[in-house]
Amino acid sequence: NAGVTQTPKFQVLKTGQSMTLQCAQDMNHNSMYWYRQDPGMGLRLIYYSASEGTTDKGEVPNGYNVSRLNKREFSLRLESAAPSQTSVYFCASSDSPFITGPQHFGDGTRLSIL
Amino acid sequence: DAKTTQPTSMDCAEGRAANLPCNHSTISGNEYVYWYRQIHSQGPQYIIHGLKNNETNEMASLIITEDRKSSTLILPHATLRDTAVYYCIVFLTGGNTGKLIFGQGTTLQVKP
Repeated sequence: NAGVTQTPKFQVLKTGQSMTLQCAQDMNHNSMYWYRQDPGMGLRLIYYSASEGTTDKGEVPNGYNVSRLNKREFSLRLESAAPSQTSVYFCASSDSPFITGPQHFGDGTRLSIL
Repeated sequence: DAKTTQPTSMDCAEGRAANLPCNHSTISGNEYVYWYRQIHSQGPQYIIHGLKNNETNEMASLIITEDRKSSTLILPHATLRDTAVYYCIVFLTGGNTGKLIFGQGTTLQVKP
């Protein structure tokens, strides 16, 4: 049982390039989330999907788009990467946002933009 | 969502209990207290959560004061592998959409 799987684990981009970060969960969870973490800071929510077919902005959505492809998969896209988007990106999932229960996190994608 | 205040860092001797405090004086009646930790370079890991009563699981115990304005996470026998950043989060279910707001957390250093 893999839990939450993120790909790739590492990526280096040049400014202006685009890329999609992939996330998949095998726990049959309804809700999925994308966070970013910068050095010395806590996690900040970028986008979330409360259920299949819905997505909403979090705290720092500018420069990102998301797609909830199906119940298992939730992708994060950078259309035109900027150095300020250099960060570690974490995907998470949970049973439902409306009941108690933990969010389960992947191991992150470390993204550097030159 | 209520804000939390945690000490920036703490030390604990290996084998001793680690007690991590958290203040959440503006917590509302239906907000839960959650604890997560993040070991270096890994994704956050859920530890425990509670509403009013004290809670215990295989990882830790959570003690919530009667007025719910503060709580303490207890790791009963800390090991070197417990060295991590610990996040205390208050979380409203039903009224929002499950968004965890992570603060700066407490860096716990377990020493031999």
